[in-house]
Amino acid sequence: GENVEQHPSTLSVQEGDSAVIKCTYSDSASNYFPWYKQELGKRPQLIIDIRSNVGEKKDQRIAVTLNKTAKHFSLHITETQPEDSAVYFCAASMGSGTYKYIFGTGTRLKVLA
Amino acid sequence: EADIYQTPRYLVIGTGKKITLECSQTMGHDKMYWYQQDPGMELHLIHYSYGVNSTEKGDLSSESTVSRIRTEHFPLTLESARPSHTSQYLCASSDRGLAGDTQYFGPGTRLTVL
Repeated sequence: GENVEQHPSTLSVQEGDSAVIKCTYSDSASNYFPWYKQELGKRPQLIIDIRSNVGEKKDQRIAVTLNKTAKHFSLHITETQPEDSAVYFCAASMGSGTYKYIFGTGTRLKVLA
Repeated sequence: EADIYQTPRYLVIGTGKKITLECSQTMGHDKMYWYQQDPGMELHLIHYSYGVNSTEKGDLSSESTVSRIRTEHFPLTLESARPSHTSQYLCASSDRGLAGDTQYFGPGTRLTVL
């Protein structure tokens, strides 16, 4: 079946450094790729998303890049801060018009002060 | 305030009980979803709905049912709870954002089956 692979599963960075999380999807019809941040004990919240007709999107310290040919997309966080510590999930839409999403397995990011 | 609500937030029950987890959203979204998530782990789709009277099965649907009689309400029922159902259950609804269908999640119901 279709799946989304996410790496790494855990990531520790020093405050101020950059963090990169990578996802690979299998469904060539996927056209929407959101990223969610989930703090401990809280609900997942959308932090950035990208559609397949765009290669890169940036929002302040957060950016997402998409390579449709290689079927992978990445989350980049620059100038990391302790409050960036959380679990991050990537997701990919399944097919076109299904409104279903497959989520990655999550990356636990720890920003060390 | 427009949001998505789930009740109860915590539930401890015995094996074999029938339970219904409630989910309501006041954002007027057509699409709603139920996910199962162990703490900090990936989300597994249980059921979803495109609108009133529409329900579809996800990957973990075999032991539960849903209904969508009203746009704002999407309850999940476990007919006979088992210890393997112990997990967190997240409800979500989606709206078309600038890029795609943004999903908004409820606070979750943490279920423990003894």
